[in-house]
Amino acid sequence: DAKTTQPPSMDCAEGRAANLPCNHSTISGNEYVYWYRQIHSQGPQYIIHGLKNNETNEMASLIITEDRKSSTLILPHATLRDTAVYYCIVRSVRGGGTSYGKLTFGQGTILTVHP
Amino acid sequence: EAGVTQFPSHSVIEKGQTVTLRCDPISGHDNLYWYRRVMGKEIKFLLHFVKESKQDESGMPNNRFLAERTGGTYSTLKVQPAELEDSGVYFCASSQVGTGALGEQFFGPGTRLTVL
Repeated sequence: DAKTTQPPSMDCAEGRAANLPCNHSTISGNEYVYWYRQIHSQGPQYIIHGLKNNETNEMASLIITEDRKSSTLILPHATLRDTAVYYCIVRSVRGGGTSYGKLTFGQGTILTVHP
Repeated sequence: EAGVTQFPSHSVIEKGQTVTLRCDPISGHDNLYWYRRVMGKEIKFLLHFVKESKQDESGMPNNRFLAERTGGTYSTLKVQPAELEDSGVYFCASSQVGTGALGEQFFGPGTRLTVL
């Protein structure tokens, strides 16, 4: 799976949009971009995923650049409960000797939402 | 709908002892995964079951770790004998079959293992 690069930490004011960047310059055509987060002492939680089109769900929006080498997760109105470690993960869809099932976590971005 | 459950939530054992962790996936989820985070490190994949079969066990650190999923329902992860470096948080996750490659994985709260 392709490697991702995220800033180690970010701050955001409550009620403002949080924009979390991720670089995945070596992503290949069959790899999706996934975002998970881990709130302290809980298991990771799925947020959103996409291939090449922008995606939106009730939690967040995912913007993927046209060349697919980077993406941004947007939390439109951050709350204190969004304070967590956010992981950008690139995941293979097909096998080719690599399981498409597993998730490969990096260090992630520690997002702190403050009042 | 109940989520992924793990038991115990905490376990403290001495080096050389045996510990068995249990994971109950979401009902109907044929994909089951084990991950762990050791102190200061990233969350690492251990293995992946599809029903009762091991699809990928490339992340298992050594033969002291044994995972089973008899009947394709709950899974156990046994560490025997436990070593100090096995301390960490062990997560289990599940997802639906067919969408396992694309579908979200639902994680349990984890089991915190401390080996003294």
